[in-house]
Amino acid sequence: QVQLVQSGAEVKKPGASVKVSCKASGYTFTGYYMHWVRQAPGQGLEWMGWINPNSGGTNYAQKFQGRVTMTRDTSISTAYMELSRLRSDDTAVYYCARDSRSAAAGPSPRFDPWGQGTLVTVSS
Amino acid sequence: QSVLTQPPSASGTPGQRVTISCSGSSSNIGSNTVNWYQQLPGTAPKLLIYSNNQRPSGVPDRFSGSKSGTSASLAISGLQSEDEADYYCAAWDDSLNGRDVVFGGGTKLTVL
Repeated sequence: QVQLVQSGAEVKKPGASVKVSCKASGYTFTGYYMHWVRQAPGQGLEWMGWINPNSGGTNYAQKFQGRVTMTRDTSISTAYMELSRLRSDDTAVYYCARDSRSAAAGPSPRFDPWGQGTLVTVSS
Repeated sequence: QSVLTQPPSASGTPGQRVTISCSGSSSNIGSNTVNWYQQLPGTAPKLLIYSNNQRPSGVPDRFSGSKSGTSASLAISGLQSEDEADYYCAAWDDSLNGRDVVFGGGTKLTVL
């Protein structure tokens, strides 16, 4: 079955960077866009951007441009999201989510499935 | 402040029908399709409705979606206790700076 397994929780100091991984299985990794979404404690969902695992092309939400980098390693079917210059308000659960449409159709806001989430805590 | 507006809460009794609204603008719902997600307590979100009114395989037909103009709605009929969750709408938002996915602020559904 299609599954996304993310790396474990992280604790970082303000100003540091964090890199979260998302290992895909059960489907052709390069055939579907991967999105990243975060959720601050008790808050709603916030889209961060997508990566095309086939080409490596990316598109980031305006809010995160200059601070976020999405990459992938096709040899191990894994996507990565790195966020730099962390602040306390970056404390959140970070999710990877596969686009449910084939990459040939372009990205969509239709995410299925989602990873289990990675809690990133930013604290001095 | 979310780009898409949802009521923060909704409630109903078992068996009842409830609806959750999602209001946007011409740059998002007015020109793009709407998806809905269900987030059960302590879990990752799950796709519930896509392309305004389509249900993924495995989603009960008690859940339905609709869209009109710049607003969308999620309806849940025959409400069950396991439907208690947070619900989010999502759509593309097209602006001069590009195309972003925007979410509603979420609606917490309580089954009384």
